[in-house]
Amino acid sequence: NAGVTQTPKFRVLKTGQSMTLLCAQDMNHEYMYWYRQDPGMGLRLIHYSVGEGTTAKGEVPDGYNVSRLKKQNFLLGLESAAPSQTSVYFCASTETSGGYNEQFFGPGTRLTVL
Amino acid sequence: GENVEQHPSTLSVQEGDSAVIKCTYSDSASNYFPWYKQELGKRPQLIIDIRSNVGEKKDQRIAVTLNKTAKHFSLHITETQPEDSAVYFCAASQGGSARQLTFGSGTQLTVLP
Repeated sequence: NAGVTQTPKFRVLKTGQSMTLLCAQDMNHEYMYWYRQDPGMGLRLIHYSVGEGTTAKGEVPDGYNVSRLKKQNFLLGLESAAPSQTSVYFCASTETSGGYNEQFFGPGTRLTVL
Repeated sequence: GENVEQHPSTLSVQEGDSAVIKCTYSDSASNYFPWYKQELGKRPQLIIDIRSNVGEKKDQRIAVTLNKTAKHFSLHITETQPEDSAVYFCAASQGGSARQLTFGSGTQLTVLP
């Protein structure tokens, strides 16, 4: 049981380049989330999904797109990277039964945009 | 939307002393308050959580208290150890079907041997 995994672990982009971050979970969770973590600002929600085929905007969605074509995968895309998107990106998932439950986080992707 | 304020941003304590981290939230509809611990270079991990129908919860050396009237909640760590050194985040859930969390800005706790 791998839990939540993220690919890649590190990436360096030039301004204007595009890339996709992959999040995968093997816990059969319905809900998945993408956060960015910047120094002194905690974790901020970018986009989230409440099930296969659904996505919704979080607190800081501008410049990002997401897709949830399969229940176990949640993709985060940057179409035209900007230096302001330099950050550590975390994916998380949670189950829906029994009320509020723990969000399980992936190991993170450190992205630098030059 | 929800806004969560966390204080202090850094906290240093001597090994064996207690540490207290405080958070306030803005949305009175929030009803779930987890605390996450993040060690350097690692992922955040849940250490304790509390729901709004409970005023206090303990788990060994860790406790969380909630004051719904004042809209604040606190993390208490007793008998601190060097392995408690990490960044701690509070969060609040404003309800709704997506169970979104709004996080505080984090507290860097350093336990000095």
